[in-house]
Amino acid sequence: AQSVTQLGSHVSVSEGALVLLRCNYSSSVPPYLFWYVQYPNQGLQLLLKYTSAATLVKGINGFEAEFKKSETSFHLTKPSAHMSDAAEYFCAVSEGYGGSQGNLIFGKGTKLSVKP
Amino acid sequence: DAGVTQSPTHLIKTRGQHVTLRCSPISGHKSVSWYQQVLGQGPQFIFQYYEKEERGRGNFPDRFSARQFPNYSSELNVNALLLGDSALYLCASTTGTRTSYNEQFFGPGTRLTVL
Repeated sequence: AQSVTQLGSHVSVSEGALVLLRCNYSSSVPPYLFWYVQYPNQGLQLLLKYTSAATLVKGINGFEAEFKKSETSFHLTKPSAHMSDAAEYFCAVSEGYGGSQGNLIFGKGTKLSVKP
Repeated sequence: DAGVTQSPTHLIKTRGQHVTLRCSPISGHKSVSWYQQVLGQGPQFIFQYYEKEERGRGNFPDRFSARQFPNYSSELNVNALLLGDSALYLCASTTGTRTSYNEQFFGPGTRLTVL
């Protein structure tokens, strides 16, 4: 069965500092991996995705993530935090090619706070 | 282009009642998925429909049901509401084919409160 573990329910960084949000996955088939962002009282917006192409994935708003099969990780990073990055971030996994892509398995989320 | 729309935005019900939530996918998208997001948790998969047929079902009781209409819009129904059904219900649409990656686009959700 697929699963996602996000380490740290709450991460706080200073504006301009590195953002690192951790995600480890478990999957018996080649996975598709995603990071979503959710602002208060809103739905989910896709930040970036890994679908078995390049292992370093660049997304919107300066975020990127690296797929590391040996570590079963897909950590999200941003070199310099901005106040507008404060939100909740979710890592998700789904079955890859030929699988049920409608069935996303989400982690519990990490709330990112950015201090001025 | 309009994104995924959901109605209503907020809803308050009492225990034992029934509720119907509605979702309109992005134009051209044939697949709709429903998720439940309880406060402080990640979304949990409930159903996926593709061209009116159920393609997947999560671990939810039979009180939860859904359907998809010929225009690809969808309804999620929940019977005999419990306090624990209070959550944000998210709808996501995608083109739905199995042969390539399909991004899911999420709507803003319906906030259901059960008293």
